Amino acid sequence: NAGVMQNPRHLVRRRGQEARLRCSPMKGHSHVYWYRQLPEEGLKFMVYLQKENIIDESGMPKERFSAEFPKEGPSILRIQQVVRGDSAAYFCASSPGQLFNQPQHFGDGTRLSIL
Amino acid sequence: EDQVTQSPEALRLQEGESSSLNCSYTVSGLRGLFWYRQDPGKGPEFLFTLYSAGEEKEKERLKATLTKKESFLHITAPKPEDSATYLCAVLMRGKSGGYQKVTFGIGTKLQVIP
Repeated sequence: NAGVMQNPRHLVRRRGQEARLRCSPMKGHSHVYWYRQLPEEGLKFMVYLQKENIIDESGMPKERFSAEFPKEGPSILRIQQVVRGDSAAYFCASSPGQLFNQPQHFGDGTRLSIL
Repeated sequence: EDQVTQSPEALRLQEGESSSLNCSYTVSGLRGLFWYRQDPGKGPEFLFTLYSAGEEKEKERLKATLTKKESFLHITAPKPEDSATYLCAVLMRGKSGGYQKVTFGIGTKLQVIP
């Protein structure tokens, strides 16, 4: 009964490199959400995806950030040309359907550090 | 603007000393409210969902209540293992109306001392 799996747990990149964060939702879950958390700040919504569709990307910066959830495989959050300000914990959550009747369940996050 | 405010930011309790955490919100189209617990280095762990004013949910030493403007998480006779950050999140109608959007508060960091 695996939960939401995120990898890697820790990722170190140098400025200008690319970061790829992966999220495998819980079995039977087709809705994926990405959040960013900075120390002493709350979880900030970034993007909401269903299989092969981006439903809401209003919380994601328009430059350098992209997300996908392909028909097969995990959801990917991609950050190009990383900068120091991208250092944060990135959390993925999943749900079986829309959130009114079921909550999101979270993975343990990827901690991204930019040197 | 939709806002979710949690108070206090931090709370230190002696073991057995009951208290309450507050989550106040100003959102349009509230569909529900979630409480989560987050331990250091971990993702949030779901605790409760509340849908309407007057609703209450309980789990072990925790009880969550909801009014039209705020929610409380009551902790009765806490133990050191209850130490964590407690997050409140509101579920709102999405702009397109076809989905719901979640906004989190910053959380209350609870420390329970033996």
